[in-house]
Amino acid sequence: EADIYQTPRYLVIGTGKKITLECSQTMGHDKMYWYQQDPGMELHLIHYSYGVNSTEKGDLSSESTVSRIRTEHFPLTLESARPSHTSQYLCASSAILLAGEGGELFFGEGSRLTVL
Amino acid sequence: AQKITQTQPGMFVQEKEAVTLDCTYDTSDPSYGLFWYKQPSSGEMIFLIYQGSYDQQNATEGRYSLNFQKARKSANLVISASQLGDSAMYFCAMREVYGGATNKLIFGTGTLLAVQP
Repeated sequence: EADIYQTPRYLVIGTGKKITLECSQTMGHDKMYWYQQDPGMELHLIHYSYGVNSTEKGDLSSESTVSRIRTEHFPLTLESARPSHTSQYLCASSAILLAGEGGELFFGEGSRLTVL
Repeated sequence: AQKITQTQPGMFVQEKEAVTLDCTYDTSDPSYGLFWYKQPSSGEMIFLIYQGSYDQQNATEGRYSLNFQKARKSANLVISASQLGDSAMYFCAMREVYGGATNKLIFGTGTLLAVQP
């Protein structure tokens, strides 16, 4: 069972508010990711990190920002939430890929954000 | 550019029967990995099975098997003896290996499977 946790699971917030979605993993994984998923749709990578002090933009442009100050923690922040940010945000982590291994991503349970 | 295609938006299957979920992919990388994930209505993503592009045999994990046809660029998921708890969204995903230090995955649009009693 994967040890990756996201809080809050559900958040309803008004337009213009600042929000931070928390993600923590206890597996010591160097690589972490944030995916965005609209209901019934595919996942799109919005941020990833190779390790501490490393963050990169993903394939889908996002107004959110991330930080990686500690290996186990990868929070996502929206400075000013808008209704267009309403979505599910999934955090994931993976170990270093070794020969013959899959390097699968372990996902948290997701944070469902609704911006009114 | 890499792409994953799942052409079945939804599927029905009778309990205890087998079902095949289709997945085709496109990549120019000689080395890559293919994954299937299950997403129940609760929202979490559950890893099911992995197939490496150089693996000689099709991957199997319990009731899940991956029908890997490299020449056709397909990686279909076969679920045997379907159970009611298998009702969920299923996503096919791919990771490039060369230059893939990030382990990033790209996902298909998913197939919603409904298992009927």
